[in-house]
Amino acid sequence: DGGITQSPKYLFRKEGQNVTLSCEQNLNHDAMYWYRQDPGQGLRLIYYSQIVNDFQKGDIAEGYSVSREKKESFPLTVTSAQKNPTAFYLCASKVGLDTGELFFGEGSRLTVL
Amino acid sequence: QKEVEQNSGPLSVPEGAIASLNCTYSDRVSQSFFWYRQYSGKSPELIMSIYSNGDKEDGRFTAQLNKASQYVSLLIRDSQPSDSATYLCALEITGTASKLTFGTGTRLQVTL
Repeated sequence: DGGITQSPKYLFRKEGQNVTLSCEQNLNHDAMYWYRQDPGQGLRLIYYSQIVNDFQKGDIAEGYSVSREKKESFPLTVTSAQKNPTAFYLCASKVGLDTGELFFGEGSRLTVL
Repeated sequence: QKEVEQNSGPLSVPEGAIASLNCTYSDRVSQSFFWYRQYSGKSPELIMSIYSNGDKEDGRFTAQLNKASQYVSLLIRDSQPSDSATYLCALEITGTASKLTFGTGTRLQVTL
């Protein structure tokens, strides 16, 4: 079945450690996105990519990094520079640049101790 | 003013009633509008999309868009307990490389 796979679903890390969240899609979608969700704050865009080897900062990119070496993969690294990394991270994709229907993975919940 | 505003709720409706969820936005060039449903601890799933003024119906769901007044709403007829979730309004702003901007969501509770 086609879909978006995020891993791990739950992750605990010590403060000051970098952590990488995986996102893989087999939908053949061009565009991929990372959102962060905190309680009561909705979804906020971290990074997005419209094509392989290219990505742009979203609204809250500080302390995060991404890569897009393959169309199927868009990993997110939460660096030690991110001051409040504990959150629910959602990866999403959509088929083209002109349509708005976003498909989400199941999410990764990161807790920094 | 936030770009997308929703009442956080909770909105409580009895089973079988109509639930009305509202969303206002501040940008005048938004072209596409979406309603997502999110169960607690899960990822959002698309319920409805609407691109032009008026109503769009899909089963028990009706999305209404009024660009002049800058609001979009979602009606859920014959509400069921399984409809209890948070409903996120999202819009796509023209010229922003297809990014979606989300509201904070309205929590709906359907009571027995």
